[in-house]
Amino acid sequence: GAVVSQHPSRVICKSGTSVKIECRSLDFQATTMFWYRQFPKQSLMLMATSNEGSKATYEQGVEKDKFLINHASLTLSTLTVTSAHPEDSSFYICSATLGEANYGYTFGSGTRLTVV
Amino acid sequence: QQQVKQSPQSLIVQKGGIPIINCAYENTAFDYFPWYQQFPGKGPALLIAIRPDVSEKKEGRFTISFNKSAKQFSLHIMDSQPGDSATYFCAAGGDAGNMLTFGGGTRLMVKP
Repeated sequence: GAVVSQHPSRVICKSGTSVKIECRSLDFQATTMFWYRQFPKQSLMLMATSNEGSKATYEQGVEKDKFLINHASLTLSTLTVTSAHPEDSSFYICSATLGEANYGYTFGSGTRLTVV
Repeated sequence: QQQVKQSPQSLIVQKGGIPIINCAYENTAFDYFPWYQQFPGKGPALLIAIRPDVSEKKEGRFTISFNKSAKQFSLHIMDSQPGDSATYFCAAGGDAGNMLTFGGGTRLMVKP
């Protein structure tokens, strides 16, 4: 089955620093990748949609300059949280899809970001 | 984002019981309705999904019932086990390649 690998699983960083999270589709080429944010005991909130080779589409209220998304290849998308602050602490999850009607969405295992 | 409303928020059943989680959607353009299971600290994992051309789909102990006219769908877990204790999310979307809209989640606890 389709596998999406997300790294790191946990990261602790100091306020003001930047953190990069990687999302890789291991056995398929993902035309579209999605980045979600999940606060404790809450649902997944879509942050942005990225298509290979084009700029990401951000959801309303998500700062594109703070959450930089790069989808440089069909197997890799990265999310960089720039100048992180404690309020950015959250669980970030990516998902990928091949883009075919009968192909489901596969999620990464998530990254727990803690900004201290 | 269009809404998908999920209920209940939490559910406790005894082992062997049949928890039922319900979702309702608004956008009639949705044509893909998956259910995900999420354990703490992990990403969601696809359990089962249905398209609106069928009213029921069963995979193992998991069954989706779909009511197109009511714009509702539900997940039934047969013979529930303590290992089924997790958070369950319904979602709705268009063809793969479009975003999914998630319900609010249901925290299920199955007591031994």
